[in-house]
Amino acid sequence: EVQVVESGGGLVQPGGSLRLSCAASGFTFSSYAMTWVRQAPGKGLEWVSTISAGGAGIHYADSVKGRFTISRDNSKNTLYLQMKSLRAEDTAVYYCAKVDSSSSDPPGAFDIWGQGTMVTVSS
Amino acid sequence: YKLTQPPSVSVFPGQTARITCSGDALPNQYAYWYQQKPGQAPVVVIYKDNERPPGIPERFSGSSSGTTATLTISGVQAEDEADYYCQSLDSSGTHVVFGGGTKLTVL
Repeated sequence: EVQVVESGGGLVQPGGSLRLSCAASGFTFSSYAMTWVRQAPGKGLEWVSTISAGGAGIHYADSVKGRFTISRDNSKNTLYLQMKSLRAEDTAVYYCAKVDSSSSDPPGAFDIWGQGTMVTVSS
Repeated sequence: YKLTQPPSVSVFPGQTARITCSGDALPNQYAYWYQQKPGQAPVVVIYKDNERPPGIPERFSGSSSGTTATLTISGVQAEDEADYYCQSLDSSGTHVVFGGGTKLTVL
């Protein structure tokens, strides 16, 4: 079964850090770009970042650039999102999704999504 | 850069629902559409303006003309009640953008 499973969410204080992971299975992870999308409670979808299949092509939303770092370990079939200097407005469910192409320039459709992991930034 | 969708669309079962998405870069960028039901992850229902993924019912179709992309659901069923999001890229082709979402209500 093709799937991605996120983990690593939780409660963190403003200014803190957190690393999310996304474990992929059922497809050749190293052949596809991957992306993170978040959804604040009761709000719409917001794109966060995309990384190409090989890891060289990376793009960030302006709202997280300089604070978040996307990376991947193709030997472990795992995608990561390192989040630093977290703010209350970063509170959201974070979804990992497979892109239906290898490139992040431009990426294709987000065709496989996980169930998300909740990140709450609060004191 | 923004993609603009109507906040809500309501139709009776069996009718046709049309959800629009407006954006200045759409003449040069593909539109994608996602369905999200409460408590669930989004699912892509249309990609590259008008392509339908395997397993998506034929009643879902997409089109794009000028600065407006349209998701059409023909013969709407109760199970189609959900939030629908369009997605595309900005003019640079590197930044992904989502529309604000449209809540489809089946009356």
